[in-house]
Amino acid sequence: GAVVSQHPSWVICKSGTSVKIECRSLDFQATTMFWYRQFPKQSLMLMATSNEGSKATYEQGVEKDKFLINHASLTLSTLTVTSAHPEDSSFYICSARDLERDLYEQYFGPGTRLTVT
Amino acid sequence: RKEVEQDPGPFNVPEGATVAFNCTYSNSASQSFFWYRQDCRKEPKLLMSVYSSGNEDGRFTAQLNRASQYISLLIRDSKLSDSATYLCVVIINFNKFYFGSGTKLNVKP
Repeated sequence: GAVVSQHPSWVICKSGTSVKIECRSLDFQATTMFWYRQFPKQSLMLMATSNEGSKATYEQGVEKDKFLINHASLTLSTLTVTSAHPEDSSFYICSARDLERDLYEQYFGPGTRLTVT
Repeated sequence: RKEVEQDPGPFNVPEGATVAFNCTYSNSASQSFFWYRQDCRKEPKLLMSVYSSGNEDGRFTAQLNRASQYISLLIRDSKLSDSATYLCVVIINFNKFYFGSGTKLNVKP
């Protein structure tokens, strides 16, 4: 149980295009999902907290107009990287909590590796 | 100052060795603590929670020192399969998770 999927697992796109990444909780409902970014040999950095039915909460320094988050249902959150640039190339990971199972443990998706050329 | 700091390593140890990692945190209001394991190019997976009284799970022991604001992870009888990056995670309020940059462990035959 507590499985989180992400799609796509990797994507290559041209500079200036937009890319949408999906995060799904497969066997539980997640009112809150988290989006992280991880550059090589660096820590996971929280980008935003995605709340079902309301606006996402972005961390300081993360442009909300560039990283659009939509959490339209209890099992799906999407992150759209708009007008992607090479510096956006990174490993994007989502996570979700199953509050019926545990208040604090996060279940991570397998990640999406984005390369912008 | 980073919320969570870890020695990046790598720690290179032979099979069977005992190895320990520390992780320091800066916010005394931190509530909960975890160790996650991340394999190369994969997502993090929960290894164990860290309680004030300390906890043990097989070869792994985690401890919390609130006075000095650090948590530790001890791995006994290291296996080749323990090779990974170990991330400490600190929760400061219900929705604020802070990850350390990870400590890389290489267990060699």
